[in-house]
Amino acid sequence: QQQVRQSPQSLTVWEGETAILNCSYEDSTFDYFPWYWQFPRESPALLIAIRPVSNKKEDGRFTIFFNKREKKLSLHITDSQPGDSATYFCAASPNSGTYQRFGTGTKLQVVP
Amino acid sequence: DPKIIQKPKYLVAVTGSEKILICEQYLGHNAMYWYRQSAKKPLEFMFSYSYQKLMDNQTASSRFQPQSSKKNHLDLQITALKPDDSATYFCASSQDPNANTEVFFGKGTRLTVV
Repeated sequence: QQQVRQSPQSLTVWEGETAILNCSYEDSTFDYFPWYWQFPRESPALLIAIRPVSNKKEDGRFTIFFNKREKKLSLHITDSQPGDSATYFCAASPNSGTYQRFGTGTKLQVVP
Repeated sequence: DPKIIQKPKYLVAVTGSEKILICEQYLGHNAMYWYRQSAKKPLEFMFSYSYQKLMDNQTASSRFQPQSSKKNHLDLQITALKPDDSATYFCASSQDPNANTEVFFGKGTRLTVV
């Protein structure tokens, strides 16, 4: 049972475009939502994270939009660069949780 | 300087054998985890430990046994290896045992069972 869902599975955008990666969850106790990125042959690393007290979190070209009512998030990458090409994982954990649940990932390719 | 050390980096094992994956973290974190990544199931949670105590186990098979001899060590013993166990095994850690902070991943051990 996948607790965190991501779409699309893969995404290709041109350099300079905005990439939009989607994430949804079922468990209303989830209250921490990190996004990790993973480059080929590397380990995942934290990119940006949000807590439900906010509906938006921005860090440079990366922005998380959060809709608590619909249990959905999205990661927007503006002015996409070839160096952004990676697999992006949405994750979630509950307040009293013991581990982060990961989605199945979105593989992003930014074409020059 | 890697702060989470996993050994070995690559491992080839024969079906039915037993292997131990080593993990040490030097971040001073209180929680440690094992995740598994394969083409079939990306980043699948296996175990979490806090202060050397097992907090959660989402691994169905008893062939996988975590071992924590020190607070900053969390090894993974795998017995009766099967080809399906082939995957990259990531050790990870976080400051917060409630997993509500950044999780740091080691570079992984890539296991191939033949």
